[in-house]
Amino acid sequence: ETGVTQTPRHLVMGMTNKKSLKCEQHLGHNAMYWYKQSAKKPLELMFVYSLEERVENNSVPSRFSPECPNSSHLFLHLHTLQPEDSALYLCASSQRTDQPQHFGDGTRLSIL
Amino acid sequence: TQLLEQSPQFLSIQEGENLTVYCNSSSVFSSLQWYRQEPGEGPVLLVTVVTGGEVKKLKRLTFQFGDARKDSSLHITAAQPGDTGLYLCAGAGGGGSNYKLTFGKGTLLTVNP
Repeated sequence: ETGVTQTPRHLVMGMTNKKSLKCEQHLGHNAMYWYKQSAKKPLELMFVYSLEERVENNSVPSRFSPECPNSSHLFLHLHTLQPEDSALYLCASSQRTDQPQHFGDGTRLSIL
Repeated sequence: TQLLEQSPQFLSIQEGENLTVYCNSSSVFSSLQWYRQEPGEGPVLLVTVVTGGEVKKLKRLTFQFGDARKDSSLHITAAQPGDTGLYLCAGAGGGGSNYKLTFGKGTLLTVNP
């Protein structure tokens, strides 16, 4: 099972850079999610896509911009990030939005 | 804001010992999920409990959902070093959305050989 694959695994960027995180799933799932995991804080849901349409934008700053071109791919475009945005960004997918979620191994993001 | 409190936050035990970790909330969830996350990896789903009072077993792991569907516990019998990891509970059904998972901060378990 190829599961949920995230690239890159590690990313270091300056506050003025623009980069993108990629998530790919080959499970045939119709829903995809972005989460942020910071030290000493619970996992935070950022965005939810169902059938390629965004159904949740959980008060995330506009410097994070998601894109879901098809049901297998999800991107998180980053620009003008702040040091407090350093965290592990996890992607997940599920068959439907009410089904258990399968997580990728995350992208460890460090903002200098 | 719905909160899931997990306790203890850290737990270090010797191989062969038993342990219980807890997940508590003042909110009712339609279901509750337990995940284990190992260093450098994403969370992996262990179990989903749906019915109040439900008990599920996964080898040496026993999961229980409280009668009121507000709390859950995970009991591990004869812990092994391979059980080491961050155990996360997540409640589903918050805010009327079935997909919205509310996560606890987790219990970091270390099983020493």
